[in-house]
Amino acid sequence: DAGVTQSPTHLIKTRGQQVTLRCSPISGHKSVSWYQQVLGQGPQFIFQYYEKEERGRGNFPDRFSARQFPNYSSELNVNALLLGDSALYLCASSLFDDGELFFGEGSRLTVL
Amino acid sequence: KNEVEQSPQNLTAQEGEFITINCSYSVGISALHWLQQHPGGGIVSLFMLSSGKKKHGRLIATINIQEKHSSLHITASHPRDSAVYICAVGGTKTGNQFYFGTGTSLTVIP
Repeated sequence: DAGVTQSPTHLIKTRGQQVTLRCSPISGHKSVSWYQQVLGQGPQFIFQYYEKEERGRGNFPDRFSARQFPNYSSELNVNALLLGDSALYLCASSLFDDGELFFGEGSRLTVL
Repeated sequence: KNEVEQSPQNLTAQEGEFITINCSYSVGISALHWLQQHPGGGIVSLFMLSSGKKKHGRLIATINIQEKHSSLHITASHPRDSAVYICAVGGTKTGNQFYFGTGTSLTVIP
């Protein structure tokens, strides 16, 4: 069975642009969560979705948004990119709301 | 104040040594997760705990809910255990927030 898949794996954007990151959960998993990991730091929680509803939101500005589709895949959008948004963006899926997390390999975003 | 504190930040051990990494947290939680991250970024879930103790091979994780403390133990450490170990807590009991420790960087020397 396929694990959590994220795309793209690497991307480069310039300040002010917008980016969309995609995540496909493990088949049958209904919860998807997003995390930002700046180089040298631990991950920070951005969003959690369960059954297509936002269940949790971390301390990130409104430039960050996400959604979950009927097939439980998810997108993370970041508008008006700043240099500080350069990071590894990780997606994790779980079977249910408080379940074990399975992480994708991440999308590495560089903002120039 | 960080909701999750890990210690030590860095740890170097000789192959075969017994290793302990500690995690303390200050919020009510649904579960505590121990994660492993190798260079390059991929994160693997090692344990999810809400009480007691779990064991997978040479890894043992314990949690004391009353003291809000967890430990990850590695017995007979091996160079392939070299990685960053991250403690994370969260879930519905934290208002669906998720908090991560800063990680413990472990290097096991042959």
